[in-house]
Amino acid sequence: KQEVTQIPAALSVPEGENLVLNCSFTDSAIYNLQWFRQDPGKGLTSLLLIQSSQREQTSGRLNASLDKSSGRSTLYIAASQPGDSATYLCAPKRTGNMLTFGGGTRLMVKP
Amino acid sequence: EAQVTQNPRYLITVTGKKLTVTCSQNMNHEYMSWYRQDPGLGLRQIYYSMNVEVTDKGDVPEGYKVSRKEKRNFPLILESPSPNQTSLYFCASGEGVNQETQYFGPGTRLLVL
Repeated sequence: KQEVTQIPAALSVPEGENLVLNCSFTDSAIYNLQWFRQDPGKGLTSLLLIQSSQREQTSGRLNASLDKSSGRSTLYIAASQPGDSATYLCAPKRTGNMLTFGGGTRLMVKP
Repeated sequence: EAQVTQNPRYLITVTGKKLTVTCSQNMNHEYMSWYRQDPGLGLRQIYYSMNVEVTDKGDVPEGYKVSRKEKRNFPLILESPSPNQTSLYFCASGEGVNQETQYFGPGTRLLVL
């Protein structure tokens, strides 16, 4: 059974810092891995999707990497802004079209 | 606007009273799924559907039923709700050969007394 761990669980930083959020998973037989953002009281918004054959994916100030063999993914946020404050979730997709979510990293960016 | 909608958004009910949470998507996606989110347990998949009349269990299907009679709708049915089903529920739909990207609804907050 896939288990997903995200570290740190919570992070508070001043505006402008570059951040790294970590995600590890136990079963490396995945199709892809998706990073989501969840704002309080809201649904999830997809940020980046990395296919199992890819190493990196970029969107604006976000960069996600994937090391499938070691069961790790990182989300890099450049020049953080207060609007980046949210909970970030990673979700590797395994056989059976099932996503398994990590517990999330709750990010607070202070002005 | 492309979206996944859920109704109701908030629901308080009592143990044993059957309820249905509706989910609808307007993106013509074949894949739809239900999740529940609980503090300390994260998001867990309840059921998913690859297409009309095709449904499969996720990680936590006990106490839930689903149906997929139309492509756009995927209702979640709680035949006899219990307090341990108090949770935040999300519906999602996906596109692509392997549902590469999933789009989530706004969530339904359910309280079972």
